Amino acid sequence: NAGVTQTPKFQVLKTGQSMTLQCAQDMNHNSMYWYRQDPGMGLRLIYYSASEGTTDKGEVPNGYNVSRLNKREFSLRLESAAPSQTSVYFCASSLDRGGEKLFFGSGTQLSVL
Amino acid sequence: TQLLEQSPQFLSIQEGENLTVYCNSSSVFSSLQWYRQEPGEGPVLLVTVVTGGEVKKLKRLTFQFGDARKDSSLHITAAQTGDTGLYLCAGTTDSWGKLQFGAGTQVVVTP
Repeated sequence: NAGVTQTPKFQVLKTGQSMTLQCAQDMNHNSMYWYRQDPGMGLRLIYYSASEGTTDKGEVPNGYNVSRLNKREFSLRLESAAPSQTSVYFCASSLDRGGEKLFFGSGTQLSVL
Repeated sequence: TQLLEQSPQFLSIQEGENLTVYCNSSSVFSSLQWYRQEPGEGPVLLVTVVTGGEVKKLKRLTFQFGDARKDSSLHITAAQTGDTGLYLCAGTTDSWGKLQFGAGTQVVVTP
């Protein structure tokens, strides 16, 4: 029972490079989320998808794009990475739209030099 | 500015001692959750509280939701080394139904 799977686990980018973080869940959840976690800041919502085919901005969406590929998969793309995007990124899913009872992946440590 | 303020930021205790961590806000929450996060892993949900004044117990952990639904506390009795982790509170408000997280309390329990 994998739950929420994120790839890659670690990534180093140079400023201006692009990359996509992948996320998949096998719990048949409707809603999926991308968070970033920075020291002293807690988890901040970047984007979310309440259901397949919909995406919406969270608290800190600038510099990111997302795609809800199907019910299982939700990807996060950095088009032109900046040092301010150095962070740990978490994907999460929940059964309903309310954002309660989140199940998290194990995170991606991203460093932008 | 964090919507949810957690205190203390860091807590180090010895095995067998008790501890309490707090989560406070000026906003009213429709529900509040507590998560524990271990190094290199994502947060794992411990409990959800929805009613003002509610108390929930999970083995040695006791969670309380304030009467006005603006604050919460987590009390651990006779802490064990396995309780070490980052404890995060998160709440939803009626105005924005998505979870908002506090910055967390890092708890270290030493043998």
